[in-house]
Amino acid sequence: DVKVTQSSRYLVKRTGEKVFLECVQDMDHENMFWYRQDPGLGLRLIYFSYDVKMKEKGDIPEGYSVSREKKERFSLILESASTNQTSMYLCASSSGYLPAFFGQGTRLTVV
Amino acid sequence: ELKVEQNPLFLSMQEGKNYTIYCNYSTTSDRLYWYRQDPGKSLESLFVLLSNGAVKQEGRLMASLDTKARLSTLHITAAVHDLSATYFCAVRTGANSKLTFGKGITLSVRP
Repeated sequence: DVKVTQSSRYLVKRTGEKVFLECVQDMDHENMFWYRQDPGLGLRLIYFSYDVKMKEKGDIPEGYSVSREKKERFSLILESASTNQTSMYLCASSSGYLPAFFGQGTRLTVV
Repeated sequence: ELKVEQNPLFLSMQEGKNYTIYCNYSTTSDRLYWYRQDPGKSLESLFVLLSNGAVKQEGRLMASLDTKARLSTLHITAAVHDLSATYFCAVRTGANSKLTFGKGITLSVRP
């Protein structure tokens, strides 16, 4: 089975902190995605990557950056966390036409 | 810009009855996915639809794709309580492109 593992289930950070969310997949997928999920807004794409060191902006990249130095790992970085970044963050990976497989999610609270 | 719309956003279903939910998208796509999300859980893949006229069935759920109309339908036969969840469709326009989700449809099955 494909496994997509996010480093934390719950995270509480202070406003202004630099926050790292890590995601690791074990199936050699070329594509990886970061979404945030908020009630009534569905899943919104922050960034995605289709290869090592390649990244593309999604629909809401402002305030975020990403890093993909190795194929299996895709990191989401909040440069200076703000309260409006409190959300559920979901990482996913996929290959070819296969569906994306999702991690368990990280619920981030910024206080 | 690709837009994915789902309707209705909430549907209360009576046990034993049939229902259909819809997913519209705005640009040409060669792949459409349906996912299910239970409360507090991550997303689970249900169907992958890759060509015009594609139909997939699993249990009481049947998904179909009309690429000319840019429309996918998810038909529910004889609804049961276990089908209560939020259902998302997602569209990708090419190999190295975004995976864009609709806002999801929350289904609730009542006795």
